Amino acid sequence: GAGVSQSPRYKVAKRGQDVALRCDPISGHVSLFWYQQALGQGPEFLTYFQNEAQLDKSGLPSDRFFAERPEGSVSTLKIQRTQQEDSAVYLCASSSRSGGGRVGDGYTFGSGTRLTVV
Amino acid sequence: GDSVTQMEGPVTLSEEAFLTINCTYTATGYPSLFWYVQYPGEGLQLLLKATKADDKGSNKGFEATYRKETTSFHLEKGSVQVSDSAVYFCALRKNTGNQFYFGTGTSLTVIP
Repeated sequence: GAGVSQSPRYKVAKRGQDVALRCDPISGHVSLFWYQQALGQGPEFLTYFQNEAQLDKSGLPSDRFFAERPEGSVSTLKIQRTQQEDSAVYLCASSSRSGGGRVGDGYTFGSGTRLTVV
Repeated sequence: GDSVTQMEGPVTLSEEAFLTINCTYTATGYPSLFWYVQYPGEGLQLLLKATKADDKGSNKGFEATYRKETTSFHLEKGSVQVSDSAVYFCALRKNTGNQFYFGTGTSLTVIP
């Protein structure tokens, strides 16, 4: 597609429920990133994929968070047993270059999924 | 650790006013600096960037100069328009790794 597509746009989950958030990166983009943006804050890094390989998951806040990209294109971020502190906008970004390209390269971000845990 | 600090909002300006949004950073090495903009209901869009000291990034009338001596990357625009209303994020990317470090964002509203 023309841009990074995320679904659903909004998700309301009851505390303890599992959720799955989807990201469709730009076709052919090898690098894919997930960020978490809490209300009133800037996005914070969660994890990075190069093709299907998850090369960095240092930002995942707990073992309840799990991400996959099995075929090197679509990615899913899964949160198990959601808690209220998981409420945030989850952003996906992609880049055509491995490693996200050179240090001066920006990424293309999706519009995000707003997760509200009640 | 590496971080970005930007001025708190919200900022409200009249059309054609001058805009400055301050941004300072803390990082080891020589990061690249970015401004991203987020319009309502949309994703982050790259507005401009600078990759080394004294570089000036510019786009759509916005400018920012990479000042290593003051560790700053302030965003400026000489005459804002209603369509500039958005949230602006300052960010850095280190020359090692691929993460972006974002500031908390500054909301700008321009009134006619």
